[in-house]
Amino acid sequence: EDQVTQSPEALRLQEGESSSLNCSYTVSGLRGLFWYRQDPGKGPEFLFTLYSAGEEKEKERLKATLTKKESFLHITAPKPEDSATYLCAVQLRGGATNKLIFGTGTLLAVQP
Amino acid sequence: DVKVTQSSRYLVKRTGEKVFLECVQDMDHENMFWYRQDPGLGLRLIYFSYDVKMKEKGDIPEGYSVSREKKERFSLILESASTNQTSMYLCASSWGQGHSPLHFGNGTRLTVT
Repeated sequence: EDQVTQSPEALRLQEGESSSLNCSYTVSGLRGLFWYRQDPGKGPEFLFTLYSAGEEKEKERLKATLTKKESFLHITAPKPEDSATYLCAVQLRGGATNKLIFGTGTLLAVQP
Repeated sequence: DVKVTQSSRYLVKRTGEKVFLECVQDMDHENMFWYRQDPGLGLRLIYFSYDVKMKEKGDIPEGYSVSREKKERFSLILESASTNQTSMYLCASSWGQGHSPLHFGNGTRLTVT
């Protein structure tokens, strides 16, 4: 069964304290892996797409990396405004185009 | 910027009522999706559509139906609402057949009493 698992469920950081969020997946074939950010009361907002092992993407304090089994979202020197739930999702090779399987998210809280 | 608009932020309905959730996107996207989001379960796909009048079942279609009469509008219908359909409902759209990301609305929180 295709599955996406995110860890930890929740993470509390001090401002400036770098860390990583994990997204591990077991799927029949990966077409792409997506990272989203979700603020309370809002829909998920797209951050990155990764397609192949070894690929990296960066945006401000965030860097996403991909291996054959997992993806990491590295947060460097986070600020309170980085507090949100971070979701990863996989798109399957050979499956319905654009259909995504989501993990349950990591709730990040960055304290000043 | 892509805008996906869901008609209601909050809805309270009674068990057995027929419920319509409406979603409109303004970017001429071919694909539209309905997800529900529940604590500990993440986002689960209910239905999606690749084109007008076309629909495909997602992972949890039971108790739901959809309608797409116009390209920009995708409606989710709960034929007879039940308490286990209390949830956050998220609509999304995307372009084309490739890797284009989903763009989400801000959700409708539905409570069925």
